[in-house]
Amino acid sequence: EDKVVQSPLSLVVHEGDTVTLNCSYEVTNFRSLLWYKQEKKAPTFLFMLTSSGIEKKSGRLSSILDKKELFSILNITATQTGDSAVYLCAVYDRGSTLGRLYFGRGTQLTVWP
Amino acid sequence: ETGVTQTPRHLVMGMTNKKSLKCEQHLGHNAMYWYKQSAKKPLELMFVYNFKEQTENNSVPSRFSPECPNSSHLFLHLHTLQPEDSALYLCASSQAAGSLYEQYFGPGTRLTVT
Repeated sequence: EDKVVQSPLSLVVHEGDTVTLNCSYEVTNFRSLLWYKQEKKAPTFLFMLTSSGIEKKSGRLSSILDKKELFSILNITATQTGDSAVYLCAVYDRGSTLGRLYFGRGTQLTVWP
Repeated sequence: ETGVTQTPRHLVMGMTNKKSLKCEQHLGHNAMYWYKQSAKKPLELMFVYNFKEQTENNSVPSRFSPECPNSSHLFLHLHTLQPEDSALYLCASSQAAGSLYEQYFGPGTRLTVT
């Protein structure tokens, strides 16, 4: 059973739309939640969240964490075709000595011009 | 070269072959990771090295053998693989292993086992 669940699995929007991607998790010893963008091959790091309610922002992307309800959202405003990618959510579980990163299956975002 | 590099980018091998994947990081990090990414499945951790010591082996079959000669280089030696091992193999690095540090990924090696 997946420890990290992302929704929706895929999403198609038009340029200029705003999208919200969801990530819920269930791990024993939560430490941090990370968002990555994967275009073609290498996932690229977007955000790391450790505290509830504090929004992280980078340009048109923003993310927030709710540790009580065990979820995070990634918002993208004024989407562009270059935002088309798979967005991955990952959670550190400090179950072992150094912690292990568990990934969700990703949300495939397609932005049409 | 910057970031995390991987070679080869594509590899096709038979089930009786022996091959190796190489990863190099130019970020001054001390932890390196191997992940497997199969279609429709989450990224799956295989191995973790922290300061050249292996700290995680996620129940990976022995036909996959990692090697970390120094903090900048990581290898994955492959032998007698199965068709179900076909996947994208991603290498990552971080400042150290643990939840305080984000991981940076290489472009991956697309492996096909015939």
